[in-house]
Amino acid sequence: AQSVTQPDIHITVSEGASLELRCNYSYGATPYLFWYVQSPGQGLQLLLKYFSGDTLVQGIKGFEAEFKRSQSSFNLRKPSVHWSDAAEYFCAVGSYNNNDMRFGAGTRLTVKP
Amino acid sequence: DAGITQSPRHKVTETGTPVTLRCHQTENHRYMYWYRQDPGHGLRLIHYSYGVKDTDKGEVSDGYSVSRSKTEDFLLTLESATSSQTSVYFCAISDGTDSSYNSPLHFGNGTRLTVT
Repeated sequence: AQSVTQPDIHITVSEGASLELRCNYSYGATPYLFWYVQSPGQGLQLLLKYFSGDTLVQGIKGFEAEFKRSQSSFNLRKPSVHWSDAAEYFCAVGSYNNNDMRFGAGTRLTVKP
Repeated sequence: DAGITQSPRHKVTETGTPVTLRCHQTENHRYMYWYRQDPGHGLRLIHYSYGVKDTDKGEVSDGYSVSRSKTEDFLLTLESATSSQTSVYFCAISDGTDSSYNSPLHFGNGTRLTVT
């Protein structure tokens, strides 16, 4: 079965600084990759997705992610973080074999003023 | 936002009692899912449905059952709740027509269940 690893449980960045959240996946075929964000007390909201084509994908709220097949990674980036970006972020991979979607354990982002 | 309503939002119950959580959608989407969210585990799939009366098990289905008698409603039942089922439960839907693995999920706001 596919799996997703988010190596960083918690990251703190200063407002205005750049951000990169790491995601590594394990899956034999071409993966369907997603990033979701969860604000406290809310469900998850889709930030962006990668299915095929251009390996740099743009999402909502100024986020982007780059698919690197050689590194089995799909890292999320934002050039300048805003205080409202404080939330928990989840990477997910869709599996054709299992017909389901597996999530990483999440990375909690704290933004310092 | 996708029209997904979960009820109740919070519930406290005792070990051994049955519990049913409800998910209602207004999007007429084919696929519906139940996930549980626990610290350090992210979200794990319990069961999903790909149509009325069509359901299948997910990664952590033991101790749970589901039913889908109408397109808009997906029920999750804990027949005899245990403390290990204390969690936050999320319902999700997707508009995938042929599969559930490559369509983005739209989530409800969750049900916080505490089993004492």
